[in-house]
Amino acid sequence: GDSVTQMEGPVTLSEEAFLTINCTYTATGYPSLFWYVQYPGEGLQLLLKATKADDKGSNKGFEATYRKETTSFHLEKGSVQVSDSAVYFCALKIIQGAQKLVFGQGTRLTINP
Amino acid sequence: DTAVSQTPKYLVTQMGNDKSIKCEQNLGHDTMYWYKQDSKKFLKIMFSYNNKELIINETVPNRFSPKSPDKAHLNLHINSLELGDSAVYFCASSLKIPGDETQYFGPGTRLLVL
Repeated sequence: GDSVTQMEGPVTLSEEAFLTINCTYTATGYPSLFWYVQYPGEGLQLLLKATKADDKGSNKGFEATYRKETTSFHLEKGSVQVSDSAVYFCALKIIQGAQKLVFGQGTRLTINP
Repeated sequence: DTAVSQTPKYLVTQMGNDKSIKCEQNLGHDTMYWYKQDSKKFLKIMFSYNNKELIINETVPNRFSPKSPDKAHLNLHINSLELGDSAVYFCASSLKIPGDETQYFGPGTRLLVL
């Protein structure tokens, strides 16, 4: 069935380091892909999305490119900040009569000053 | 203005009790969802309603009964609560426009069953 696999966490980096969180998916057809972020004690917020192959989603310095050939949607940021500490979820949207999101297991990111 | 709101934010209750969680969205969306996030942060869809009609039910026990009185509200009633129901429950909503069906999430309701 459709699934999303994220890199195991937790991930700990120093401020201004380069970030990559890997995400690969299995799906029939061409799903839309999303990254959501959950800050401590809060709900999920949409970070970025891409709806077709080779699309690049970007927001707040984060980027992810929809790679059909590798079925991947890796999240990157060139210089992380302490305020980026959160749990990041990769998700795909499938439509089986109705649309639903299938989430990866989440990656906890901690940025140290 | 809060786009998707949930009440209560925290809920602590005894096993066997019945409880409800309410969700409201003011985005004008026509589709609403309930997701469950377990202690390991894993998120899974439970239900989806479109225009007050149930369209997704992901093999959730019958003790869980969603109710949608109108397009802006989707409540979740849980009967005979069990320890395993302890989780964070998220409500979400979206608009059924092909190509732009981004889901917007509420802040979550943290349920602890003792």
